[in-house]
Amino acid sequence: QSALTQPASVSGSPGQSITISCTGTSSDVGSYNLVSWFQQHPGKAPKLIIYEGTKRPSGVSNRFSGSKSDNTASLTISGLQAEDEADYYCCSYAGSSTWVFGGGTKLTVL
Amino acid sequence: QVQLVESGGGVVQPGRSLRLSCAASGFTFSNCAMHWVRQAPGKGLEWVAFILYDGSNNFYADSVKGRFTISRDNSKNTLYLQMNSLRAEDTAVYYCARHYSGSYCIDHWGQGTLVTVSS
Repeated sequence: QSALTQPASVSGSPGQSITISCTGTSSDVGSYNLVSWFQQHPGKAPKLIIYEGTKRPSGVSNRFSGSKSDNTASLTISGLQAEDEADYYCCSYAGSSTWVFGGGTKLTVL
Repeated sequence: QVQLVESGGGVVQPGRSLRLSCAASGFTFSNCAMHWVRQAPGKGLEWVAFILYDGSNNFYADSVKGRFTISRDNSKNTLYLQMNSLRAEDTAVYYCARHYSGSYCIDHWGQGTLVTVSS
């Protein structure tokens, strides 16, 4: 149950696009199309923004998109806005009713 | 709307026990599997435990296996986490979270309750 690997921080200017990677193993990310992504603002609970790798819950902006290749999932945020500044976490199903999170990525909007 | 409200956090000495509760409303609790997830101060999220909708089976992270027990009372719409033999490294905000059946992920979170293990 090792944590998924995410970059500690990424940054971008308003209007730009950024991508956050999430690298796991063939036992989690690579085995299932079941990666989800969460946005967390300081002092707040996480919010689901992507599930099953590419799907957006109702009400989540289409500026958020997800993808996966082999053992790495990615979250792309296009048209960066100031309100996107937050921490982002990936999460993968790891089999046998267990889950694993990434270490988190701090997004700074310059 | 879905509401999850955790309670029971506080300061506890190493080696002691604590029980967290999570009151659920706004959905049919007895139809939903549930999770506990924690977040140490300034750190990332860590999945802790999972329980099926009827409480028939539960699963744990290696870091808490044998010390923590997840349970539920569907008649009270309440989820629990019994934490025994607490350690300093268990200090964290503990979140109750609803499982999104079919998609193998979490779709709603409570606001969390802080547990501090310190002498």
